[in-house]
Amino acid sequence: KNEVEQSPQNLTAQEGEFITINCSYSVGISALHWLQQHPGGGIVSLFMLSSGKKKHGRLIATINIQEKHSSLHITASHPRDSAVYICAVSDNFGNEKLTFGTGTRLTIIP
Amino acid sequence: EAQVTQNPRYLITVTGKKLTVTCSQNMNHEYMSWYRQDPGLGLRQIYYSMNVEVTDKGDVPEGYKVSRKEKRNFPLILESPSPNQTSLYFCASKRTSGRHQFFGPGTRLTVL
Repeated sequence: KNEVEQSPQNLTAQEGEFITINCSYSVGISALHWLQQHPGGGIVSLFMLSSGKKKHGRLIATINIQEKHSSLHITASHPRDSAVYICAVSDNFGNEKLTFGTGTRLTIIP
Repeated sequence: EAQVTQNPRYLITVTGKKLTVTCSQNMNHEYMSWYRQDPGLGLRQIYYSMNVEVTDKGDVPEGYKVSRKEKRNFPLILESPSPNQTSLYFCASKRTSGRHQFFGPGTRLTVL
C-alpha cells in the first residue's frame, strides 16, 4: 500500500462544477503539499499546510490530521484548471523528504 | 526573474555513457532537490540538499550522484546510465523556512 493515496485518479467535470480531490496518508507528517502539473509538464506548488484550511482564489485546501486526510477543492471550475493535481507529504523528521501521491488528472469541459 | 533552470531539457543517450544534468536557482534558496517522474509511479525523490555540502538520499538514489558545492547549483550525475533511468527529471528549490518549492521545467532523459 502506498504511503500517499489520491482519489480519484481521473476526474472529468463540466465548467462551473465544484471539484473535490482527496488525499490520504498513512505516515506521520510535518506538512502536506498540493502541487499542480500543467499539461505542458510544469509543476507549481499550490499549498503547504499542517493544519486547518487554506484558500487561494478559487482553490481551497483542508487537512484533518487525526484522520490523515486532505482535500483540495476548486470552486467554479474552468477549463484552465485542467491539470494533474499531486498531493505530497513531508515526513516529521525535519528533513524535507517528500513522498508523493500518483496524482489526479482533472479535465474541465467547457 | 526568479527561476530554477535545468539543462539539458531533452537528452537521448546510450547505456553507460556518463552524463550530468545541471540545476541552477537564482533565489538564494538553501534547499534543493531532484525528482524523477514515471507513468503510474508519480514523482519520487532522488536526492535532496538542505544547504551547501549537505546532501541526503531520497527514495530512489541508486544509480545517481549529486553534489552541492555552491548554493545555487545542484547537478545530478549519472555515472553509468541504464535504460531504467529513462524518465522525466525535475529539480526544485525553496527557502528553508519557505512553504513552496519552485520547480524547474524538467529534463526528459532517454537511455537506449
